[in-house]
Amino acid sequence: GQNIDQPTEMTATEGAIVQINCTYQTSGFNGLFWYQQHAGEAPTFLSYNVLDGLEEKGRFSSFLSRSKGYSYLLLKELQMKDSASYLCAVRDSNYQLIWGAGTKLIIKP
Amino acid sequence: IAGITQAPTSQILAAGRRMTLRCTQDMRHNAMYWYRQDLGLGLRLIHYSNTAGTTGKGEVPDGYSVSRANTDDFPLTLASAVPSQTSVYFCASSEDIGGVGELFFGEGSRLTVL
Repeated sequence: GQNIDQPTEMTATEGAIVQINCTYQTSGFNGLFWYQQHAGEAPTFLSYNVLDGLEEKGRFSSFLSRSKGYSYLLLKELQMKDSASYLCAVRDSNYQLIWGAGTKLIIKP
Repeated sequence: IAGITQAPTSQILAAGRRMTLRCTQDMRHNAMYWYRQDLGLGLRLIHYSNTAGTTGKGEVPDGYSVSRANTDDFPLTLASAVPSQTSVYFCASSEDIGGVGELFFGEGSRLTVL
């Protein structure tokens, strides 16, 4: 079966750096997405990786290793507004998105 | 403001009743999707549409039906609601099924079936 694994919850301190990991086993691979979802709101797009390596976008970076079935989302200079759930999703060989359950990130002052 | 509009925002429904969740997008996207989100689970695809006039089944289609009469609208119907369909439902769209385009989500419809 297809599976996406992420930690259920993480806690970090304002101003610090946090890395959220995602491992996947899917039928084929056509890209990996990270989304942010604040409580009670819709998911919003953060990043997309299809080739190995690091993609940087401001305070957020996303890394992919296809051979290891692994990605991480790196958040720098954490702000209170970064408290949210972070969803990892992989597009499989049928171009369907397989979603992880999400990682709830709690930022403490 | 361009985007996706869902209605209703929330609804309490008696089991056995019929319910249609509405979804409209104004981005002229070809692909549209319906997901349900339950605590502790990832988003699960119910139905999708690659383009107007076509629909497909996702991971959890039973008990749900969709139609795509035009590009903008993609309603989701529960023919006879059951308590296990209590969930938050998200409609989403993307330019196409494949490619690098991300999904844009509506604000969600919270449905409670009693």
